This record gives sequence, structure tokens and C-alpha cells, in this order.
Amino acid sequence: GAVVSQHPSWVICKSGTSVKIECRSLDFQATTMFWYRQFPKQSLMLMATSNEGSKATYEQGVEKDKFLINHASLTLSTLTVTSAHPEDSSFYICSAWSKLTQFFGPGTRLTVL
Amino acid sequence: AQTVTQSQPEMSVQEAETVTLSCTYDTSESDYYLFWYKQPPSRQMILVIRQEAYKQQNATENRFSVNFQKAAKSFSLKISDSQLGDAAMYFCAYRSGGATNKLIFGTGTLLAVQP
Repeated sequence: GAVVSQHPSWVICKSGTSVKIECRSLDFQATTMFWYRQFPKQSLMLMATSNEGSKATYEQGVEKDKFLINHASLTLSTLTVTSAHPEDSSFYICSAWSKLTQFFGPGTRLTVL
Repeated sequence: AQTVTQSQPEMSVQEAETVTLSCTYDTSESDYYLFWYKQPPSRQMILVIRQEAYKQQNATENRFSVNFQKAAKSFSLKISDSQLGDAAMYFCAYRSGGATNKLIFGTGTLLAVQP
């Protein structure tokens, strides 16, 4: 199957700083990527759809200015959590479709102190 | 709007036994796709099985099979000969066959496998 990578896998930052998470499709091109957030023992919550070369589409209730998404190429999407606060601590997962299957990255655990 | 319901928050099965995880969905569409994903403790989401709604035959992947009942809008997952490595959270998911390519997830079922 297709491979999606994420970097970093784990990050700790101070409150008020910004953190960038990268999502790459390693062996296929993805015009669309997705960003999810997952709390412990809960389902995945779609945050936004990242579109190559255009603005991301955010789900209702997700702050666009807090979670900046850039999809600059067919293999890379980035999520920047700006002015992070402890409530932004969570597990962030990206994904992309390849041949009728959505493949997921391994996730990034963000802890904001 | 489409919804996916998993009514079993937790399930348990003995090693080598068979277990069935339930999933129902609500949609007015005729063209769609259904998925089961597994999320082990590593939290990496792994595709278990996919079913196209237009296919009458139930999908199978080795020890994993589904019972797809389109009229009843039911999509259960059967795991045969359960192994310790099957212990994970299992998510049922729906994708429209139209332009919208979002996945809609159920709340998940946590499966424990007892040795």
C-alpha cells in the first residue's frame, strides 16, 4: 500500500510558540490531504482538507488562524499550530487517498507546556 | 448528512475464537464505500478491509471478512481465529461515491484478545 509519513512524531513546546508538522506522501502524489485530531480513546476528528495549490477547507469550529495549513506540492502538506496553548495538546494525524483507500501517517503527539 | 454508528464501545474475544464487530450507517446515497480501520496501541491507522457498495459480494481479507447488508445499512466485521495482535481499536468508516472524499468515522470499538 501507499506510504504517508509525518514529522515529527513527537513534539513538546512552550505555550505561545508555534509548531509545524509535516505530512508527506512517499510513493504517490496527493492533490488532497486531510488533517485529523484525536483525543485519547476517541475517534478521529477531521480538522481540514488540504488542497495542493489552493486554500485549505476547514471544518466547522476549527480556527483557521490557529491551525495554518499549506499544501505547497503534490507530496507535502504542513500543519502549523500557532500560538499553541495546553488545550492544543493532542494527537494529530494526516492522510491521503490512493486508489480508493485513505492511507494515514503515523501521527504526531503534541504536548504544550 | 451521513452518520456511522458503532454500538459496541468494547469487545473481548479469546485467542483463536471468532468475534464480530457491528457497524451501521445512515445515508441516502446509492454509491459509496465502507471501510474498517484498525488502530493498535502504536496509533498507526491501518486499513483492514474495504467494501464498495455496488458489489454484492462481501469483501474478505484472510481472517477478516465483512457482512454487508445494504438494505439494512449494516457493515459488520468478522475476525476469525483471533490473534493477540488483533487487539486494537477498530473504526468503521464511510465515504461518499460522489465528489466529497471525506471519511466519516464511527466512534470505534476497542477489541481485547484474551490469551
